[in-house]
Amino acid sequence: DQQVKQNSPSLSVQEGRISILNCDYTNSMFDYFLWYKKYPAEGPTFLISISSIKDKNEDGRFTVFLNKSAKHLSLHIVPSQPGDSAVYFCAAGRRGSQGNLIFGKGTKLSVKP
Amino acid sequence: DVKVTQSSRYLVKRTGEKVFLECVQDMDHENMFWYRQDPGLGLRLIYFSYDVKMKEKGDIPEGYSVSREKKERFSLILESASTNQTSMYLCASTGRDRGVTEAFFGQGTRLTVV
Repeated sequence: DQQVKQNSPSLSVQEGRISILNCDYTNSMFDYFLWYKKYPAEGPTFLISISSIKDKNEDGRFTVFLNKSAKHLSLHIVPSQPGDSAVYFCAAGRRGSQGNLIFGKGTKLSVKP
Repeated sequence: DVKVTQSSRYLVKRTGEKVFLECVQDMDHENMFWYRQDPGLGLRLIYFSYDVKMKEKGDIPEGYSVSREKKERFSLILESASTNQTSMYLCASTGRDRGVTEAFFGQGTRLTVV
């Protein structure tokens, strides 16, 4: 059973507009969440994280929102740029698990010029 | 700059061959992981290791084994390669648990089994 779900396999956005990528989880014991970005033929790179005690974390154009009651998080990219086109993975972790992250299946974002 | 390095970017192997994928990290991390990535399936954990000579099965260990003789090196072994093991293989490492624990990934190895 999937503990971390990204229900949209793909998303297409116009350059300059907002991209919103969504992620749902089922395990209320997760302590933190991360977003990774992956280009083809490369490894994932860390983008942004959020602790379960917070509801928002911002880093430049990237903001992650966490709604614990809904077990939902989202990544906002504003403004979107063509270089943001990649696959985005949501991941969740628990303290004491030695960084053993549970990943979603990913959402492919296409930002069109 | 932290680094996880996988020995090959691209590999082509024949069915039945024994295949070794090597991963080295220079961050003195305790924990290392092997994933495979397939379209529509995301990242699936094959094996992980919390310490030298220790290993734990992930979600899809069948057909694979691992070796961790040194802290910095974690090897994935395909005992007898099959075409359904054609995939992108990703190695990752993490340090000691400190709240939010970020995984650092290698560049990936695209393995094709023919």
